[in-house]
Amino acid sequence: SAVISQKPSRDICQRGTSLTIQCQVDSQVTMMFWYRQQPGQSLTLIATANQGSEATYESGFVIDKFPISRPNLTFSTLTVSNMSPEDSSIYLCSVVHGIQYFGAGTRLSVL
Amino acid sequence: DQQVKQNSPSLSVQEGRISILNCDYTNSMFDYFLWYKKYPAEGPTFLISISSIKDKNEDGRFTVFLNKSAKHLSLHIVPSQPGDSAVYFCAASDSGNQFYFGTGTSLTVIP
Repeated sequence: SAVISQKPSRDICQRGTSLTIQCQVDSQVTMMFWYRQQPGQSLTLIATANQGSEATYESGFVIDKFPISRPNLTFSTLTVSNMSPEDSSIYLCSVVHGIQYFGAGTRLSVL
Repeated sequence: DQQVKQNSPSLSVQEGRISILNCDYTNSMFDYFLWYKKYPAEGPTFLISISSIKDKNEDGRFTVFLNKSAKHLSLHIVPSQPGDSAVYFCAASDSGNQFYFGTGTSLTVIP
């Protein structure tokens, strides 16, 4: 199994600011995933973060808007940059360790 | 393009009765399917899975059925309990590390 600690659990931010979400896993994993869940929509993959290389972004997501760091095999950060109200969502980090495990999520509200 | 669909956003069931949650998919390459359960303020947690070589997998009160020809899977919960009230996501994978999620079905079990 894998235990994922994600923080902050929630935040309220002003338009135009940035928020960095941290994700810590209790075991070493090759890939970490960042998802977004907007209200009424499915979990959407933002990017896959590999240690030692640049993250791979899904269609519709770009590095300038969602920069990701992956300094080691147990930690990753996702930054939501230059936020707008449309970025209000739940952001989840995830790893595959046999099956897929998720962090508790970060509930972001942008005013 | 939504490859995994859950067409019922919500479902209410009386305690003790059967809950049936449905999921459809479009990609015939999917060969591994999972159900996740999500409580408010928590990340999704794994519930039960099934590989494409099987058509049924049972774990206690939870049974998942897979109909490959119809590209349809369902989760049966019997008997339903109030603690089962949560959002249920189905997910599918094509043996890679990427999972595709449905939009979720919110189950309410009425005492």
